[in-house]
Amino acid sequence: DAGVTQSPTHLIKTRGQQVTLRCSPISGHKSVSWYQQVLGQGPQFIFQYYEKEERGRGNFPDRFSARQFPNYSSELNVNALLLGDSALYLCASSFWGTGGDSYEQYFGPGTRLTVT
Amino acid sequence: AQTVTQSQPEMSVQEAETVTLSCTYDTSESDYYLFWYKQPPSRQMILVIRQEAYKQQNATENRFSVNFQKAAKSFSLKISDSQLGDAAMYFCAYRSRWGFGNEKLTFGTGTRLTIIP
Repeated sequence: DAGVTQSPTHLIKTRGQQVTLRCSPISGHKSVSWYQQVLGQGPQFIFQYYEKEERGRGNFPDRFSARQFPNYSSELNVNALLLGDSALYLCASSFWGTGGDSYEQYFGPGTRLTVT
Repeated sequence: AQTVTQSQPEMSVQEAETVTLSCTYDTSESDYYLFWYKQPPSRQMILVIRQEAYKQQNATENRFSVNFQKAAKSFSLKISDSQLGDAAMYFCAYRSRWGFGNEKLTFGTGTRLTIIP
């Protein structure tokens, strides 16, 4: 089975522009989370979606938004890009059991965003 | 808010030897999960091992084991018989069990592990 896929792999944007990152979860996974990993740091939680509803939001400005589609894929949008938004953006998906819990989040390879 | 601290930015070990990576965390919660993730140069984050806080028994996965000290809020990873493929960044992570479907992971800053042939 295919793992979590993300597109694009790498992109370069200019300050002030907008960017959309895409994530396709593992088949059967309904929960998708987004993380930002700045060089030399651990990933920081941005959003979590389950069944198209936002389940969690990290400490990020309103320039960051996301959504989940009926097929459980997800998009992360960042408006008015700043130099500090340069990072690796990771998507993770998981399968929830009947108890509303998951054993593991499976991560994609990430999208490397460079803002110049 | 929960915090995770990894005080060893870099570690190195001879191939076939044993190495221990340290992690401490701070939380006021009693029920949570702790994880060790591995991130090789390919950037893919891979789960190494998971520990549930309510379980006293330390988790083990083949050559990987943890020393979970709940009272001390310590969660170290031991890698036995180190192999070249173990070279990577290792992240310790915390996840609360409170809240239906709460999957937020709080990560430490990572430890870069080098394996010396």
